[in-house]
Amino acid sequence: GENVEQHPSTLSVQEGDSAVIKCTYSDSASNYFPWYKQELGKGPQLIIDIRSNVGEKKDQRIAVTLNKTAKHFSLHITETQPEDSAVYFCAATPNDYKLSFGAGTTVTVRA
Amino acid sequence: KAGVTQTPRYLIKTRGQQVTLSCSPISGHRSVSWYQQTPGQGLQFLFEYFSETQRNKGNFPGRFSGRQFSNSRSEMNVSTLELGDSALYLCASSPTSGGAGWFFGPGTRLTVL
Repeated sequence: GENVEQHPSTLSVQEGDSAVIKCTYSDSASNYFPWYKQELGKGPQLIIDIRSNVGEKKDQRIAVTLNKTAKHFSLHITETQPEDSAVYFCAATPNDYKLSFGAGTTVTVRA
Repeated sequence: KAGVTQTPRYLIKTRGQQVTLSCSPISGHRSVSWYQQTPGQGLQFLFEYFSETQRNKGNFPGRFSGRQFSNSRSEMNVSTLELGDSALYLCASSPTSGGAGWFFGPGTRLTVL
């Protein structure tokens, strides 16, 4: 099955700086790559996703890039704000119904 | 539009008991999936339902089961609870079969004593 590795496990950034989280996947058939943000006491919130026919997608301060050849994808958050502090998960799937998640990255934005 | 709702939000049970968790998907969503989240194993897929049919199942023992009703609401059941079943159980819904994204509820925190 699909195996997703996520780095780093923790990330501390100064407010206003950028944050980058990287994930690699094992199944070359994977074609859908969502990113989730989970705040304390809440369920994961879908923040952005990308399909394999697209190399990059951007939504305001958040962007995701995909390199299918290398089998890795990344989340970029620019101009970080305190409310960006949360645990971020990447996921991958070849079939849409079953998401394989990375272990998560705890992001702390220092004021 | 209301999000995915899960009840109860918190549950405490003892070993050997059984438990039923409920999930109401976003209105109009026909697919429901369940995940178990633990600090050690992370987020793991339990099963997925579409139109009252379980189409896919993860690598969990038969003590874990579920069902989906005609109104797309779903329940999952865990029988003969073990200490290791303590986890956050998350339900997600999708308009189709995930093609438009999976949207998660707040989860049910199950503690087994």
